[in-house]
Amino acid sequence: GAGVSQSPSNKVTEKGKDVELRCDPISGHTALYWYRQSLGQGLEFLIYFQGNSAPDKSGLPSDRFSAERTGGSVSTLTIQRTQQEDSAVYLCASSPSNEQYFGPGTRLTVT
Amino acid sequence: SQQGEEDPQALSIQEGENATMNCSYKTSINNLQWYRQNSGRGLVHLILIRSNEREKHSGRLRVTLDTSKKSSSLLITASRAADTASYFCATAGQLGSNYKLTFGKGTLLTVNP
Repeated sequence: GAGVSQSPSNKVTEKGKDVELRCDPISGHTALYWYRQSLGQGLEFLIYFQGNSAPDKSGLPSDRFSAERTGGSVSTLTIQRTQQEDSAVYLCASSPSNEQYFGPGTRLTVT
Repeated sequence: SQQGEEDPQALSIQEGENATMNCSYKTSINNLQWYRQNSGRGLVHLILIRSNEREKHSGRLRVTLDTSKKSSSLLITASRAADTASYFCATAGQLGSNYKLTFGKGTLLTVNP
């Protein structure tokens, strides 16, 4: 069946521009996560959505980062006024319970 | 801050040998999971072990958990070149936060043909 998809797969943007990253989770998965992974590092938790509950935004690094999940399905991670330190791979995962299913990620490069 | 820390950071072995990776963590957990990542992109879930379990098997994978030492190990038997990847442990906390996984920095495994 279809897995988690993310778009775009790669994004190059100029410092100061806004970017939107999209995640399509597996159908029926109620939980959705965003992570950030810098080169050679582990995953850094950003935000978590569960059903209609208020999202856990505790991992967002600054107020330039925001995310929403429409209709309990597709999610968009928005980074405003991008900085060079935002360059990383942004991974989305969905989950039916405990284990998480990851998308291929979006590699963001801020020049 | 990182909860899980994998050891070693990198491991290189020959095809057919066994590979053992370790993970240590700091706080009480609900469960511990191992993931594999190829080429720095999406992670693949390998196995989950709950805090009341001590050992679990899945194919060529064996995971152990010692909650008294706050450590886990992942053993891959009869390794293959295709097992080359980064392996991460991830811990899920307790008391209502068991949905949130905290990942270590991973072990880079290279299996030489």
